[in-house]
Amino acid sequence: GNSVTQMEGPVTLSEEAFLTINCTYTATGYPSLFWYVQYPGEGLQLLLKATKADDKGSNKGFEATYRKETTSFHLEKGSVQVSDSAVYFCALKTSYDKVIFGPGTSLSVIP
Amino acid sequence: EPEVTQTPSHQVTQMGQEVILRCVPISNHLYFYWYRQILGQKVEFLVSFYNNEISEKSEIFDDQFSVERPDGSNFTLKIRSTKLEDSAMYFCASSDEGMRGYTFGSGTRLTVV
Repeated sequence: GNSVTQMEGPVTLSEEAFLTINCTYTATGYPSLFWYVQYPGEGLQLLLKATKADDKGSNKGFEATYRKETTSFHLEKGSVQVSDSAVYFCALKTSYDKVIFGPGTSLSVIP
Repeated sequence: EPEVTQTPSHQVTQMGQEVILRCVPISNHLYFYWYRQILGQKVEFLVSFYNNEISEKSEIFDDQFSVERPDGSNFTLKIRSTKLEDSAMYFCASSDEGMRGYTFGSGTRLTVV
């Protein structure tokens, strides 16, 4: 079946550090891949997405590239800010199917 | 930008009571979903709904749960007899006919006491 694996953290970084959160997936067919962010006490916000192999999703300085050969969609940001502290969920969706979420990675950025 | 609206944002209910969580999906979307997130845990799929019927449901979605689209705009999740372990954040989502648009609401935090 379809599944998503991501590093669970928690991850603690200093401000302006480089961020990588690894995500790998297992899926039949050709899924779309997503990163969602959940700020403390809030709902799920779509951060970025990629719908086919080699696509790069980007938003707010975050990037992720859809790598079919390694079935990965790692999230990166060159310089994190305190305001980036949140839980990040990698997810996939095939066709009109449900979204399958990874377990989430908690990120804390300290000044 | 179109939004999925959920009400209430927070509901407290006594164990054994019925609760209805309400959602207004994006108007031109055809696929509707409920997910839940127990505090600090993974987001889990509950049910998907299309063409006025359930298209898929998870093991969590047992006989205590039901969904309905009572009119052209609302999409509801009913829990008939709430249990303590139903305490969670419940997210509604809607999608158009493709892989592009999949929008979540801001969630309803359900607390069962």
